[in-house]
Amino acid sequence: QQPVQSPQAVILREGEDAVINCSSSKALYSVHWYRQKHGEAPVFLMILLKGGEQKGHDKISASFNEKKQQSSLYLTASQLSYSGTYFCGTEGMDSNYQLIWGAGTKLIIKP
Amino acid sequence: DSGVTQTPKHLITATGQRVTLRCSPRSGDLSVYWYQQSLDQGLQFLIQYYNGEERAKGNILERFSAQQFPDLHSELNLSSLELGDSALYFCASSVGFMGQGAREQYFGPGTRLTVT
Repeated sequence: QQPVQSPQAVILREGEDAVINCSSSKALYSVHWYRQKHGEAPVFLMILLKGGEQKGHDKISASFNEKKQQSSLYLTASQLSYSGTYFCGTEGMDSNYQLIWGAGTKLIIKP
Repeated sequence: DSGVTQTPKHLITATGQRVTLRCSPRSGDLSVYWYQQSLDQGLQFLIQYYNGEERAKGNILERFSAQQFPDLHSELNLSSLELGDSALYFCASSVGFMGQGAREQYFGPGTRLTVT
């Protein structure tokens, strides 16, 4: 079951904040976040583990609500370099050793 | 540069043909994953190998097969190609595999396959 990402797309001005959500119907062990720029490979951002703490680096952070099987990615004071498509990948508690990916959220940052 | 290499970068072939995509993981990584990404779509997991053994299978067609060699490089074979197989094929590698505490994956630049 593919996790549901929302919104599908968002357009921001540089310096504004954004929140991207990822919701699963399955019990999750971990949630992974990646960013992909057009024509390039996805790049790892962070992993959130069941029972783990909220993670972040620079102005990008994320949380994982285990009870709701939801994760949110927070981008603060967005920069032009944040533009791209953000994917969440979920690993279920059934642990069949694969990530199930969301459809992605396209983020456009305008100057 | 993620350290994962993929060849070729582009591949154009006709329907019915067979192609082989190659991937070399980052130094020290034992897991290799293959993904298919159609135009402006998400990532579809195909298959995963860990230290030469198949570890997980996703939505991989029977016409597709893969293997990981003793030197840890991997090849994805696509046969009886159809127009719908046109896509970007990514290889990724990680130190361990899912379920081992969840490892980040490092993606190669991809191979763009066009079937005409």
